[in-house]
Amino acid sequence: QVQLVQSGADVKKPGASVKVSCKASGYTFTGYYIHWVRQAPGQRLEWMGRINPNRGGTVYAQKFQGRVTMTSDTSINTAYMDLSRLTLDDTAVYYCARVEDSGVVLHWGQGTLVTVSS
Amino acid sequence: DIVLTQSPGTLSLSPGERATLSCRASQSISAGYLAWYQQKPGQAPRLLIYAASSRPTGIPDRFSGRGSGTDFTLTISRLEPEDFAVYFCQQYGNSVTFGGGTKVDI
Repeated sequence: QVQLVQSGADVKKPGASVKVSCKASGYTFTGYYIHWVRQAPGQRLEWMGRINPNRGGTVYAQKFQGRVTMTSDTSINTAYMDLSRLTLDDTAVYYCARVEDSGVVLHWGQGTLVTVSS
Repeated sequence: DIVLTQSPGTLSLSPGERATLSCRASQSISAGYLAWYQQKPGQAPRLLIYAASSRPTGIPDRFSGRGSGTDFTLTISRLEPEDFAVYFCQQYGNSVTFGGGTKVDI
């Protein structure tokens, strides 16, 4: 079955960077785009961008341009999301999610809590 | 970006009742690329409806969606105890954005 397993919770100081991993199994990793979505406490889901693991092509939400980098390693079926220059407002649960051919998300990772605290 | 506004913010109902949730877009959503998700505390979202009115395999038929353009509705015909959760709409026709959510509680 399709599984997306994310790295564990992390605590960072303001100004630091965080890298979250998302290991895929149960399907052909290069066959589906991966979204990255975050959810701050009590807030709506927020799309950060997506990556095509096949060729590495990315599209980032304007809000995160210049601060986010999405990559993939097809040898280990893993996608990564790197967010730099963290502020307290970046405290959130970060999800990776597989994009279906229809454009929607059927499979999500379990989420990774990133806490930014001084 | 397309802004999605959901109403009401909270819907207080009882098991067996009908729930009607609204999602309004700031501009027309192309080809009905509108989805609905259910989310429970500490869990990832679960897809209920895509393309405005299609149900994925395994989603009970008490969940239905309709709408086009800028106005969309999710209806839960008879609430089951496990349906008390937060519901989000999402558009995926022009980038990706999510609504603010409607909490359905007892």
